[in-house]
Amino acid sequence: DQQVKQNSPSLSVQEGRISILNCDYTNSMFDYFLWYKKYPAEGPTFLISISSIKDKNEDGRFTVFLNKSAKHLSLHIVPSQPGDSAVYFCAASWAGNNRKLIWGLGTSLAVNP
Amino acid sequence: GAGVSQTPSNKVTEKGKYVELRCDPISGHTALYWYRQSLGQGPEFLIYFQGTGAADDSGLPNDRFFAVRPEGSVSTLKIQRTERGDSAVYLCASSLTGGARTTGELFFGEGSRLTVL
Repeated sequence: DQQVKQNSPSLSVQEGRISILNCDYTNSMFDYFLWYKKYPAEGPTFLISISSIKDKNEDGRFTVFLNKSAKHLSLHIVPSQPGDSAVYFCAASWAGNNRKLIWGLGTSLAVNP
Repeated sequence: GAGVSQTPSNKVTEKGKYVELRCDPISGHTALYWYRQSLGQGPEFLIYFQGTGAADDSGLPNDRFFAVRPEGSVSTLKIQRTERGDSAVYLCASSLTGGARTTGELFFGEGSRLTVL
């Protein structure tokens, strides 16, 4: 049973446009959410996170939005750059066990020049 | 080095053999994690160390899997009687303290790709 779902396996965007990656979760106990980016043959690298007490967190070109009632979060990348092409993973944790991240399957983003 | 180092980067073994995977975390990081990523999947939690002790090993799939961190730094993941289903990339991560909310979050190594024939 996938508790963190990324329903789009891939996304293609033109350079300079907005990339929107979506993530849904089923466990209402999750209270902290993270996005990781992964290049081939490398480990995931942390991108941005959000606590459930917030609905938005911004860091440069990256913004994460959280809609708790819908159990949905999204990552916006504006403007998209070719170097953003990677697999993006959504992950979640909960206060009862915040060492264990539950991950989605990932979305492969291709930013075309 | 500055990052999390994992060896070997690739390991091919035969079904039934014993395998050890090593992780050298970032210096000063007290928390260490092992995750496993199968093809087309997201990483799956295996075990978490805080210092020398395994604080949470609930993700280890069965008793063929074991991990140690005897001096609170380097960790070794040990897999006995390997099976084809163990084939995956084994990721190690470290953080300054335990939990996903700490500054800098989890820093991952490049992983050890295990193939069991």
